[in-house]
Amino acid sequence: RKEVEQDPGPFNVPEGATVAFNCTYSNSASQSFFWYRQDCRKEPKLLMSVYSSGNEDGRFTAQLNRASQYISLLIRDSKLSDSATYLCVVTLSGTYKYIFGTGTRLKVLA
Amino acid sequence: EAGVTQFPSHSVIEKGQTVTLRCDPISGHDNLYWYRRVMGKEIKFLLHFVKESKQDESGMPNNRFLAERTGGTYSTLKVQPAELEDSGVYFCASSQDILEQFFGPGTRLTVL
Repeated sequence: RKEVEQDPGPFNVPEGATVAFNCTYSNSASQSFFWYRQDCRKEPKLLMSVYSSGNEDGRFTAQLNRASQYISLLIRDSKLSDSATYLCVVTLSGTYKYIFGTGTRLKVLA
Repeated sequence: EAGVTQFPSHSVIEKGQTVTLRCDPISGHDNLYWYRRVMGKEIKFLLHFVKESKQDESGMPNNRFLAERTGGTYSTLKVQPAELEDSGVYFCASSQDILEQFFGPGTRLTVL
């Protein structure tokens, strides 16, 4: 079983739609959680950190459910520019190394 | 401020040859990481430097891979001898702390 699991997609949605991605992690010692965005043939870039209380940044909302060991990302009012791969990232307590999911590919269609 | 830079951007070598990848972290970042993405798989951790010391090298696949960070500035990752399965994108990242890691553009390595 992978440590971090994501639905690879692709999710094809029209502009203006709301889309949600989930990510599950297997290790209960997971400490920090992030969503990174990766455009085709580019490097991953931090979209947002995920906090226990949930957090929002404009059209993006991230949630963490420690009991069920999953995190989510909600994108409202999708833009064409949101088309990318969204990477779920987890770190374990006491370590700095990132554990990545395979990523979820989003295509926003005009 | 300059981001993480990596050189070369692409490398095509034959099986059995040696390749050295270079990473220059963001100035002032003590933490430097190497990751690799093999086609169709997730990005995987290789190792973590704090300054010039290897903090965690649990992800290094075998002894054909050697990473160094002399002087605690830039880092090199040498693959010797390269095998077909070493093909992939090698990312370097750096950070000031345990939070956000900043990634370089990657080196795309193809072993023929």
